[in-house]
Amino acid sequence: DIVMTQSPDSLAVSLGERATINCKSSQSVLHSSNNKNYLGWYQQKPGQPPKLLIYWTSTRESGVPDRFSGSGSGTDFTLTISSLQAEDVAVYYCQQYYTTPLTFGGGTKVEIK
Amino acid sequence: EVQLVQSGAEVKKPGESLKISCKCSGYNFPSYWVAWVRQMPGKDLEWMGIVYPGDSETRYSPSFQGLVTISADRSITTAYLQWNRLKASDTAMYYCARLYTPMSPFDSWGQGTLVTVSS
Repeated sequence: DIVMTQSPDSLAVSLGERATINCKSSQSVLHSSNNKNYLGWYQQKPGQPPKLLIYWTSTRESGVPDRFSGSGSGTDFTLTISSLQAEDVAVYYCQQYYTTPLTFGGGTKVEIK
Repeated sequence: EVQLVQSGAEVKKPGESLKISCKCSGYNFPSYWVAWVRQMPGKDLEWMGIVYPGDSETRYSPSFQGLVTISADRSITTAYLQWNRLKASDTAMYYCARLYTPMSPFDSWGQGTLVTVSS
């Protein structure tokens, strides 16, 4: 199985400041046939199911604010919230869908400082 | 509007059987895979397996193979997750989610079904 490791486990950021979450996969999720990284990010608020934010590393799902951005390639990826809003308090998960079983990172809890 | 609506919370005893459901609407049900994901209290998300309603093909995570059965009924656009003999360690929130191919992100999720197994 591909192991996804996120860091940090939690972070506290002031409103309007930048939040950065890292995700590392135990093997590359870059598919040579289409040069795409099979990496997505989800947001889970308390009492809710996860919500897809970003797929193919950097493509925002419809309706996701542009303060959310994703980057990276191969085994190292980053989710950035450029200006943290109160409604962004949540746990964020990365996921590889390069191969089954699809696997998730352990999650990063984002709070307001 | 794509919707995945799951059945309600369940409280069961160890050794009992259970089948929970995920009613899908707002899209062409046979053309998308449905996944089941476990989230134990305060824990990570775990991919359990998927079903393709078009032909009922299933794929399981090795961690769940033989422990659960995933199925779908095209006639009522519903996917299922079932256990023959529950254990206390099956206590968790279970989500269904839609994906276009087995190697796709999950673009829509059900609201979750909480399963509690306790004597």
